[in-house]
Amino acid sequence: QKEVEQNSGPLSVPEGAIASLNCTYSDRGSQSFFWYRQYSGKSPELIMSIYSNGDKEDGRFTAQLNKASQYVSLLIRDSQPSDSATYLCAVGDTGGFKTIFGAGTRLFVKA
Amino acid sequence: DGGITQSPKYLFRKEGQNVTLSCEQNLNHDAMYWYRQDPGQGLRLIYYSQIVNDFQKGDIAEGYSVSREKKESFPLTVTSAQKNPTAFYLCASSIDISQETQYFGPGTRLLVL
Repeated sequence: QKEVEQNSGPLSVPEGAIASLNCTYSDRGSQSFFWYRQYSGKSPELIMSIYSNGDKEDGRFTAQLNKASQYVSLLIRDSQPSDSATYLCAVGDTGGFKTIFGAGTRLFVKA
Repeated sequence: DGGITQSPKYLFRKEGQNVTLSCEQNLNHDAMYWYRQDPGQGLRLIYYSQIVNDFQKGDIAEGYSVSREKKESFPLTVTSAQKNPTAFYLCASSIDISQETQYFGPGTRLLVL
């Protein structure tokens, strides 16, 4: 069974700090990786996708991918209380047309 | 305004009853998906459809059925065979089956009376 693992949290950071969210995956052949944000009671919304090793930056968000270590992370700079949500890591399945989702990490940004 | 709509927002099911959740998209996407989310768990794939009149079982298809008669619509029926249906149901779509970026509807919360 292919898996995506995340620390469930909660991860608590003060306002203005950097939040670091981590994810590991079991399918060594995966080529596509996604971070979604999900507010309580709402549906997931895409924050970033990443396909190549290294960093990808978009505003306050940076996704980092290391395929050799099967590790993907999301950094949120200058964290705001509005960033408080559950962050889902998702990985494309090489065996078919599916995307495998982790259970998510709850982030709490303290004002 | 393009997007994915799901209805109803809340749905109550009596024991032995079949219920149908609606999912409509006007994004002109070929691929559509149904997921189930339980508290503290990731999204689990129920069914997916690559194109009209075609659909495939996901990881937890037992007790569910779908149809894809129109490109815009992918309704999910929760049958009486699904013994633990209480969950948050999410519909998603992507441009095609190889474009793995998926866009989600607002979800339907199903509760059992």
